[in-house]
Amino acid sequence: AQRVTQPEKLLSVFKGAPVELKCNYSYSGSPELFWYVQYSRQRLQLLLRHISRESIKGFTADLNKGETSFHLKKPFAQEEDSAMYYCAQSGRRALTFGSGTRLQVQP
Amino acid sequence: EAGVAQSPRYKIIEKRQSVAFWCNPISGHATLYWYQQILGQGPKLLIQFQNNGVVDDSQLPKDRFSAERLKGVDSTLKIQPAKLEDSAVYLCASSLMGSTGELFFGEGSRLTVL
Repeated sequence: AQRVTQPEKLLSVFKGAPVELKCNYSYSGSPELFWYVQYSRQRLQLLLRHISRESIKGFTADLNKGETSFHLKKPFAQEEDSAMYYCAQSGRRALTFGSGTRLQVQP
Repeated sequence: EAGVAQSPRYKIIEKRQSVAFWCNPISGHATLYWYQQILGQGPKLLIQFQNNGVVDDSQLPKDRFSAERLKGVDSTLKIQPAKLEDSAVYLCASSLMGSTGELFFGEGSRLTVL
């Protein structure tokens, strides 16, 4: 079964500090990996996908097939980055989500 | 462009009662999903439709949950009878391209079962 693991429920950093949100997946084929974000009182929305290899709002994520990881990184956190972040993968079925990590960026 | 619409936003019922949630996807999106999100967990897929056909309902508790998507547009998710553990946010999402495309989510329907 597809499984996505986000080991941290909460990550608290100060503004300007680097951020790394961890994600490990279990699909053995060629999965597609995504990061979704939910800001306070907003809908869940796509942040980025590994296929596009782009940086969104300063965030990047690299797919490491050897470690089956897709960690989300940002060199300098901003207060507006505070949100719930969900890693997700698609394989043979629709998106499977991790349990989420709450990022708190303190001033 | 209008987003995914869901109603009701909130619903409180007693166990063994029934409830129905409605979803209107983004116009032109062929694929529609219902996810269940229990507090502290990530969204879990209940059912996926492609137009008006079911693609995946393997995680839908079929003894109490049912869903339909008549005419390939709007969808309804029903729970009958509800249990305490059904308390969750029910998220509807739609996409153009199936599971490899971007999913657009609604605001969700929060169900509390007492």
